[in-house]
Amino acid sequence: EIVMTQSPGTLSVSPGERATLSCRASQSISNNLAWYQQKPGQAPRLLIYDASTRATGVPARFSGSGSGTEFTLTISRLQSEDFAVYYCQQSNNWPPWTFGQGTKVEIK
Amino acid sequence: EVHLVESGEGLIQPGGSLRLACAASGFSFSNYDMNWVRQAPGRGLEWVSYISNSGKTIYYADSVKGRFTISRENAKNSLFLQMNSLRDEDTAVYYCARANGWYGPFDYWGQGTLVTVSS
Repeated sequence: EIVMTQSPGTLSVSPGERATLSCRASQSISNNLAWYQQKPGQAPRLLIYDASTRATGVPARFSGSGSGTEFTLTISRLQSEDFAVYYCQQSNNWPPWTFGQGTKVEIK
Repeated sequence: EVHLVESGEGLIQPGGSLRLACAASGFSFSNYDMNWVRQAPGRGLEWVSYISNSGKTIYYADSVKGRFTISRENAKNSLFLQMNSLRDEDTAVYYCARANGWYGPFDYWGQGTLVTVSS
C-alpha cells in the first residue's frame, strides 16, 4: 500500500499571501496524483489531477507540480473561499487508492 | 451536469446492516467505474470500495472486506453499498465518487450520507 504524507498539518496564511502545501508518496506514483479541497459540511472537490492539470472551473491561482514521490499544491494569492482542508490522493497503484491525512489552511 | 445523490442514512446498532444507494445523472453511468469513500467524524478520507463500469471487477479496503458488498444497476443509473456486521468504527459520512480513467482522479462526488453505528 502506498502511504501519502502531507505537510504541514495546518498552515496559517493571511488573505492575499501564497500557500504551499506538500504531499509525499512512499514510493513513486509517476504523476498520478490528485488534489482535493474540502470545506466544512461539504464533499471533496477535485482541484488538480495528473499532478498539475486544473480541473474544470478551478481558478488559475491553484497550481500543482511534482512527479515521482514529491508533490506541491500552490495557491498563489489566498482568497477567503480558499480556507479549507486539502487532500492529496494517489491513483497509480491500486487498490487501495490512498489519501494523505490533509492540510488545513486557516486564516492567520 | 453530473449529479451523484446518496441515500440510506441511518443510526444502526453494532452488528446491524444498512444499504446505501447512489443515484447518478448527467452522464453515461455505464461507462464509468465508481467508488465509495468514507470520512469518520473529524477525520480524513478513506477509500472503501470500487466497482468497474461493467460490475465485473470489484475491490474492497481491508477494513470492510467480507462485511460490505458493492454493486451497481446500470439500467437504473444506481450504485449500492450493502453494509453488514457494522462496527462502531464504520461510523462516517459515505460518499459515492466517479472515477475518471484507469489512473484518473475521483472527479465527481455526491454530498454524502451519514452512517452512525452506536448502541
